Amino acid sequence: GAVVSQHPSRVICKSGTSVKIECRSLDFQATTMFWYRQFPKQSLMLMATSNEGSKATYEQGVEKDKFLINHASLTLSTLTVTSAHPEDSSFYICSAGQGTLDTQYFGPGTRLTVL
Amino acid sequence: AQSVSQHNHHVILSEAASLELGCNYSYGGTVNLFWYVQYPGQHLQLLLKYFSGDPLVKGIKGFEAEFIKSKFSFNLRKPSVQWSDTAEYFCAVNYNNNDMRFGAGTRLTVKP
Repeated sequence: GAVVSQHPSRVICKSGTSVKIECRSLDFQATTMFWYRQFPKQSLMLMATSNEGSKATYEQGVEKDKFLINHASLTLSTLTVTSAHPEDSSFYICSAGQGTLDTQYFGPGTRLTVL
Repeated sequence: AQSVSQHNHHVILSEAASLELGCNYSYGGTVNLFWYVQYPGQHLQLLLKYFSGDPLVKGIKGFEAEFIKSKFSFNLRKPSVQWSDTAEYFCAVNYNNNDMRFGAGTRLTVKP
């Protein structure tokens, strides 16, 4: 089956620094990737939809300048949390698919802790 | 490592048929359980979740799921499916509020 990886799996950073999370489709070309965030004891929250070669579409309430998403190639999308603060600590998950009608495959997630 | 299994890869039903999708998970401590649905071309949407309390959980669109701790299962049910239920369904388990695992998904096709 299709494999999606995320790197890093866990990251701890100081407040004010920026953190980049990578989402890669290892054995297929992903034209669409979704980025989700999960707060403790809650379900996933969609942050943005990323289409290769175009700007990401952000959900209402998600700060575009804080959560920078780049989908520069068909196998890689990155989420950069800029000037991270403790409230950004969360679990971030990406999913990737081959098209808008295709199923999505999930990455294993990245646990971000901001001190 | 913890894992979540969805045994049915693709389920095909006629409208008005009853649905049950299986979800089993490996032991790993405290669990929070979810079912998500993904319609073609869309992102995940939460159907229902279980954190504690009544093990029979009712969600949106007539779906329900039952947490059976002894069987490590959280099967999704709907008494009568509609064509609009055609989608991909994902079971997910959050272990110890720290580690989220998804099943591989079950594609449901409902014939009109």
